[in-house]
Amino acid sequence: EAQVTQNPRYLITVTGKKLTVTCSQNMNHEYMSWYRQDPGLGLRQIYYSMNVEVTDKGDVPEGYKVSRKEKRNFPLILESPSPNQTSLYFCASSLSGGYETQYFGPGTRLLVL
Amino acid sequence: AQSVSQHNHHVILSEAASLELGCNYSYGGTVNLFWYVQYPGQHLQLLLKYFSGDPLVKGIKGFEAEFIKSKFSFNLRKPSVQWSDTAEYFCAVRRDTGRRALTFGSGTRLQVQP
Repeated sequence: EAQVTQNPRYLITVTGKKLTVTCSQNMNHEYMSWYRQDPGLGLRQIYYSMNVEVTDKGDVPEGYKVSRKEKRNFPLILESPSPNQTSLYFCASSLSGGYETQYFGPGTRLLVL
Repeated sequence: AQSVSQHNHHVILSEAASLELGCNYSYGGTVNLFWYVQYPGQHLQLLLKYFSGDPLVKGIKGFEAEFIKSKFSFNLRKPSVQWSDTAEYFCAVRRDTGRRALTFGSGTRLQVQP
């Protein structure tokens, strides 16, 4: 089954404790992206990747890092989480970032205390 | 900067009523336009998309949207809503050139009463 998976689905952490949210897709997609969803603000793009070793900032990249060492994986790293990063995070992928549909993962709900 | 506006934040309708959700964007160049739906507890799913050609686009579940370039709008419509359409709806815009970032609107929560 074609899908985008994220782990963990729920995470509670404390300020400053580094964490990684994993994202994996099994569709051989080149394009992958991370979004955060906040009430009243919709989804905002954090980072995206056009292919292995090619990443670029979205609209709200501050406080986040990403890496794309393999085509199927696109982890999101919070080196020093802060409470304003409490949010619902979605990973998405598409074939090439062009005209095709983006497929979204199930989301990761993060609470930073 | 590119922005996407959804002016209706919360819409309440009775079953069988007609629906129109507004979406306006600010970018003046060529754009790709999308409507996504998020049912309670689920992740986003694509309803429909517009890239070029006929400005009236038909999507899944009886939804359609019309691209009006002169108004920078891409409104979503459905002639007769059902209780199962209760969800949050997001309009999204992507520039046809340059950075492949997808900009979302803030969403419209639709509640359909039986």
